[in-house]
Amino acid sequence: ELKVEQNPLFLSMQEGKNYTIYCNYSTTSDRLYWYRQDPGKSLESLFVLLSNGAVKQEGRLMASLDTKARLSTLHITAAVHDLSATYFCAVDPEETSGSRLTFGEGTQLTVNP
Amino acid sequence: ETGVTQSPTHLIKTRGQQVTLRCSSQSGHNTVSWYQQALGQGPQFIFQYYREEENGRGNFPPRFSGLQFPNYSSELNVNALELDDSALYLCASSTPPAGATYEQYFGPGTRLTVT
Repeated sequence: ELKVEQNPLFLSMQEGKNYTIYCNYSTTSDRLYWYRQDPGKSLESLFVLLSNGAVKQEGRLMASLDTKARLSTLHITAAVHDLSATYFCAVDPEETSGSRLTFGEGTQLTVNP
Repeated sequence: ETGVTQSPTHLIKTRGQQVTLRCSSQSGHNTVSWYQQALGQGPQFIFQYYREEENGRGNFPPRFSGLQFPNYSSELNVNALELDDSALYLCASSTPPAGATYEQYFGPGTRLTVT
């Protein structure tokens, strides 16, 4: 059974600080996704990482993928309050034909002024 | 381009009842996946439909069933509702994986409460 583990599950940080969210998974895969979810809302796609060594950046967020270590990171630079949300990573296993995601538990991020 | 839509937005049902949730996929997408998200947890894959056929199923009992129509819209049916079925139900549409970005686009969700 595929397992996806995020660390930490809860993160409270001050504006202007940097931090990294980690996503470990238990099967071979070269497709990893990061989503953002605001309370009571649906999932907003942040990044799609499709190969080993992939790195993508959007604003204050940067995601990377190491398929050999089965690890993805979401790095937050100079956090602002608007980044407060729950962040999920999700993995699409190699053995499926695609689009069957297994999600982590989520990291609830709170950015304090 | 029309995004993924779901109906209804909210629904309250009684234990033992049946419910049908609906999803219209994004224009050009022929694959629909359904996920259940309990409060405080990550979404869990229920099943996927591709060209009107079930194309993979997660660890959900048979009382969770679905359909996909020729226009690629989809329904999720849940029979004999239980209290634990209370959750946000998310629909996601995508194009076939070959040569694509594999990206899924999620709808706004249906919040189901079972009392």
